[in-house]
Amino acid sequence: EVQLVQSGAEVKKPGESLRISCKGSGYSFTSYWISWVRQMPGKGLEWMGRIDPSDSYTNYSPSLQGHVTISGDKSISTAYLQWSSLKASDTAMYYCARMSDYGSGSYYNRNFDYWGHGTLVTVSS
Amino acid sequence: QSVLTQPPSVSGAPGQRVTISCTGSSSNIGAGYDVHWYQQLPGTAPKLLIYGNNNRPSGVPDRFSGSKSGTSASLAISGLQAEDEADYYCQSYDSSLSGWVFGGGTKLTVL
Repeated sequence: EVQLVQSGAEVKKPGESLRISCKGSGYSFTSYWISWVRQMPGKGLEWMGRIDPSDSYTNYSPSLQGHVTISGDKSISTAYLQWSSLKASDTAMYYCARMSDYGSGSYYNRNFDYWGHGTLVTVSS
Repeated sequence: QSVLTQPPSVSGAPGQRVTISCTGSSSNIGAGYDVHWYQQLPGTAPKLLIYGNNNRPSGVPDRFSGSKSGTSASLAISGLQAEDEADYYCQSYDSSLSGWVFGGGTKLTVL
């Protein structure tokens, strides 16, 4: 059974750093990209960026580039999302999701076929 | 402002059929990229509902169907049930943004 298990909820102050994690199991971790998706309170889904666990190549949404860093450790089947200096506007639920090309062989035609349960990050002074 | 536009809300009575539209542009749906749909029940993570425009993952009832034409796509739900009350999101790739994008989401209310 494919599972993505995320780290627990966090409460932080503005300016603090944070790293949250997403551990994959039940499949070959290096065969599928992992994305991070943000959902701010009462809002919709926003793709943040992705990592290819096989070579740690990443790319980011233009609106978030520079504010977050996505990394991974394939030896423990885990992807990370980190901030060096949190803002109150980073308060949100963060989901990791496995990306699949569903056999299309396309770089672009990918969906998010399995999701983690989410990590709630609250940033408040 | 999402690059894929969905109606904020739709509603229908049990047993009825509803459709949710997803309107894009020449840099995403109109460029030929596939559209996928997700269902997010209250307080839970999103779940893949339709992939590759009109395919259902194993376990998704055939009451759910997808279609795509030009710069738009649609999700249809027939035989509405109370348990279908959720938020629905479309998703595709956008070449101008060089990344994957979601629609703003549509809240389905079963009357």
